[in-house]
Amino acid sequence: AQSVTQLDSQVPVFEEAPVELRCNYSSSVSVYLFWYVQYPNQGLQLLLKYLSGSTLVESINGFEAEFNKSQTSFHLRKPSVHISDTAEYFCAVSSPNTGNQFYFGTGTSLTVIP
Amino acid sequence: SQTIHQWPATLVQPVGSPLSLECTVEGTSNPNLYWYRQAAGRGLQLLFYSVGIGQISSEVPQNLSASRPQDRQFILSSKKLLLSDSGFYLCACTLRGAGNEKLFFGSGTQLSVL
Repeated sequence: AQSVTQLDSQVPVFEEAPVELRCNYSSSVSVYLFWYVQYPNQGLQLLLKYLSGSTLVESINGFEAEFNKSQTSFHLRKPSVHISDTAEYFCAVSSPNTGNQFYFGTGTSLTVIP
Repeated sequence: SQTIHQWPATLVQPVGSPLSLECTVEGTSNPNLYWYRQAAGRGLQLLFYSVGIGQISSEVPQNLSASRPQDRQFILSSKKLLLSDSGFYLCACTLRGAGNEKLFFGSGTQLSVL
């Protein structure tokens, strides 16, 4: 079975400060890892993903995440946040071995303070 | 590119009333389809997924059911709503073949059971 843990339910951070949103997963098979972002009253949008290859993946708006197999982590980082980054962030895991079933963490609410 | 349509966006229903939420997908064929529920502070819970017409798998026992009468149509139903059915319901899909490793989400339905 697969599961995802997001330890931080709420993260307040000042504008232009760095941020890290933590994600740990458990799985006995090879995994795909994702970060999704949800703005108020909207569905989820894919922010970035790790499938294979380079363990550092980046999004178009400055976020990055690093797959760490030994620590079973996929933490999301941004060196300088903007007000527009305020949203709910979800980490998710799936596996090519388990028929495209996706499992999500409970989410982290990022609030950027002006 | 694929598009997921969900309706209605907001729904207020009394306890004991029936429910029907519809999701349709455009721009792709034979997708995998999913229903998720998002409750406050609990992340996304996978309710149902479908790999084809008439093929429904349920992740958790509950008061809800799902049907897939057509390839790109996925319906979430209940005969009698409970207060605990309140939440934000999201339809999602994955594509067949290349690009099948990520979920695409609809804009969601906010259901309030009173």
